[in-house]
Amino acid sequence: SQKIEQNSEALNIQEGKTATLTCNYTNYSPAYLQWYRQDPGRGPVFLLLIRENEKEKRKERLKVTFDTTLKQSLFHITASQPADSATYLCALPSGAGSYQLTFGKGTKLSVIP
Amino acid sequence: DAGITQSPRHKVTETGTPVTLRCHQTENHRYMYWYRQDPGHGLRLIHYSYGVKDTDKGEVSDGYSVSRSKTEDFLLTLESATSSQTSVYFCAISAQGGRDEQFFGPGTRLTVL
Repeated sequence: SQKIEQNSEALNIQEGKTATLTCNYTNYSPAYLQWYRQDPGRGPVFLLLIRENEKEKRKERLKVTFDTTLKQSLFHITASQPADSATYLCALPSGAGSYQLTFGKGTKLSVIP
Repeated sequence: DAGITQSPRHKVTETGTPVTLRCHQTENHRYMYWYRQDPGHGLRLIHYSYGVKDTDKGEVSDGYSVSRSKTEDFLLTLESATSSQTSVYFCAISAQGGRDEQFFGPGTRLTVL
C-alpha cells in the first residue's frame, strides 16, 4: 500500500510570506495527487488535484508541484493570510487503479499576523 | 457545499452496544467512503462502496460493517462498540472513485465509554 509522509507536523509562518508544505510518498508512482484543507471540527475540503504529466498547477494563491522522480509534491500558499491557518492533507491513490485514497497525517499551518 | 449529511453528529455510548452511523448524499455519486480520524493517525479508511450493495474493506475494517441498499445512503455499524472505536467518523463521496476529488461530510464524534 502507499506510504505518505508530510514532513512537518506544524509550520508557523509570518503573514505575507509564502508557505511551502511537503508531501513525500513511497511505493508505486501514482497517476495523480490531491491536496485538502481541514479546519478544526470540520471535514476535509478538496483544494487541488495534479496529474503525473503536470509539473505544476495553480489556483489563485495556491500552487502545487509534482515531481515523480523525487516522489514528492510541494504545496505553496503565496501571500499567506491568517485565514489560511488550517491543517493541509495530501492524498494519493492507495494503489494502481484503486478506488481508495491514502491520506497523509497533515501539516498544521499557522499564519501569524 | 456538496449535499452530504451525517447522523448523528455526536453520540456517547457504552462498551458492548451496537451503533449505526448514517451518511446521506443528494449528489447521486457512485462511490461512498467511511473514514475515522484519530490524533497521530490521520484519516484512515474503514470501508467503501462502489455501488448499491457493492462494498469493500479499507485499512481498518475490523469491528465495523457497512451496508448500502440505495445510492444515497451508506450505513456504518459497530456491532459491539469498544473504547478503541472512540473517534471522529467522516463519510465522503466521489463521482469517479479515486480519479477525482472526494467531498466530505461534517463528521460524527463518537465516544464509547
